[in-house]
Amino acid sequence: EAGVAQSPRYKIIEKRQSVAFWCNPISGHATLYWYQQILGQGPKLLIQFQNNGVVDDSQLPKDRFSAERLKGVDSTLKIQPAKLEDSAVYLCASSLVNRGPSSSYEQYFGPGTRLTVT
Amino acid sequence: TQLLEQSPQFLSIQEGENLTVYCNSSSVFSSLQWYRQEPGEGPVLLVTVVTGGEVKKLKRLTFQFGDARKDSSLHITAAQPGDTGLYLCAGEFSNFGNEKLTFGTGTRLTIIP
Repeated sequence: EAGVAQSPRYKIIEKRQSVAFWCNPISGHATLYWYQQILGQGPKLLIQFQNNGVVDDSQLPKDRFSAERLKGVDSTLKIQPAKLEDSAVYLCASSLVNRGPSSSYEQYFGPGTRLTVT
Repeated sequence: TQLLEQSPQFLSIQEGENLTVYCNSSSVFSSLQWYRQEPGEGPVLLVTVVTGGEVKKLKRLTFQFGDARKDSSLHITAAQPGDTGLYLCAGEFSNFGNEKLTFGTGTRLTIIP
């Protein structure tokens, strides 16, 4: 079974430029997540999709970040314009379903995109 | 906001030694997951603990969930260089019916051959 695919793996841009990241989740996974992981810290959830609908974007800086998941499969995350503090690894993850509280679930992560803003 | 503090933040020990890392929160979680992340890769799930007081073993790794489901520990026996990595705990909670994970601050473990 293929894992979560992300591209590009690395990106270097100057501040105020724009950048976009792409994610292809595991086939059949309805839920997709974008995380930001700053060096030395744990991942922080930016946005969560259920199929092609947003279920949580409370921590997404909406003045500069946007994300979409067309047709409920692939997703893109965009930053426009980028700031120095956006330098981080952007992780995409997917899980099977958003299920009830009686059982646990697993998120499968892609390798991430390392963004450096200079 | 659910916060998970991990300690220590960094740990460097000799091969063959034992170690314990901790994950603490003031929030109650429906389950607690442990992930290991290697450089250039995403986190990979090691184990999920669900019941307060639960203990799970994965070869030389022992995971325990606190009785109150607010904290957890990971104990590694006879550490090996392959155990090197960033260990992340993640608490699962439900927000308006949507399950989410809150990740801890991480423990970066280095095993010296």
